[in-house]
Amino acid sequence: DTAVSQTPKYLVTQMGNDKSIKCEQNLGHDTMYWYKQDSKKFLKIMFSYNNKELIINETVPNRFSPKSPDKAHLNLHINSLELGDSAVYFCASSLWTSGRVRETQYFGPGTRLLVL
Amino acid sequence: DQQVKQNSPSLSVQEGRISILNCDYTNSMFDYFLWYKKYPAEGPTFLISISSIKDKNEDGRFTVFLNKSAKHLSLHIVPSQPGDSAVYFCAASAQAAGNKLTFGGGTRVLVKP
Repeated sequence: DTAVSQTPKYLVTQMGNDKSIKCEQNLGHDTMYWYKQDSKKFLKIMFSYNNKELIINETVPNRFSPKSPDKAHLNLHINSLELGDSAVYFCASSLWTSGRVRETQYFGPGTRLLVL
Repeated sequence: DQQVKQNSPSLSVQEGRISILNCDYTNSMFDYFLWYKKYPAEGPTFLISISSIKDKNEDGRFTVFLNKSAKHLSLHIVPSQPGDSAVYFCAASAQAAGNKLTFGGGTRVLVKP
């Protein structure tokens, strides 16, 4: 009955490879997010999708490409992996937020990416 | 430039006593603030939130205080329990930015039995 799940949990790969991380939520939410937690432990938003449409796109290298096949899934594809991409990547989901109403974001368990 | 700062990286407290976690922000557009709790190898879980129209919100053992003029908020946990040992993240959002959360760097809390 996992609410937000991510696969894989751990990912060790070589520099230059291309890899994907998958995220699925079964909460009926229509908005999904990708966050990166770097070595200094800061959580920073990368992307957000609402109903499969990109709504937040922070300053992220274009080697990172999110893809949302449907409202319940948001995958992250990374091309030409670099050492600095090593981090923990968290997926999150929520209902759409508008105006003063803020919907709670629910996070997945994270994917630990290590680039060698 | 960090818009949300948690200046105490760690905090140690005796079981049963009060834990006070602090958070400062610089962006005056922030109008909604949250605290998330994170255990090792897990994702952050929502704890409590407060809107800028309030100065206090309480939920059981957890109370969040907001001082808008000082751009400061704090989380009080009383009484602290060993299961509260975790990393606590302060986060903020602005209405104009939808649901984009800006996080602080976290405070690691250790509750000693």
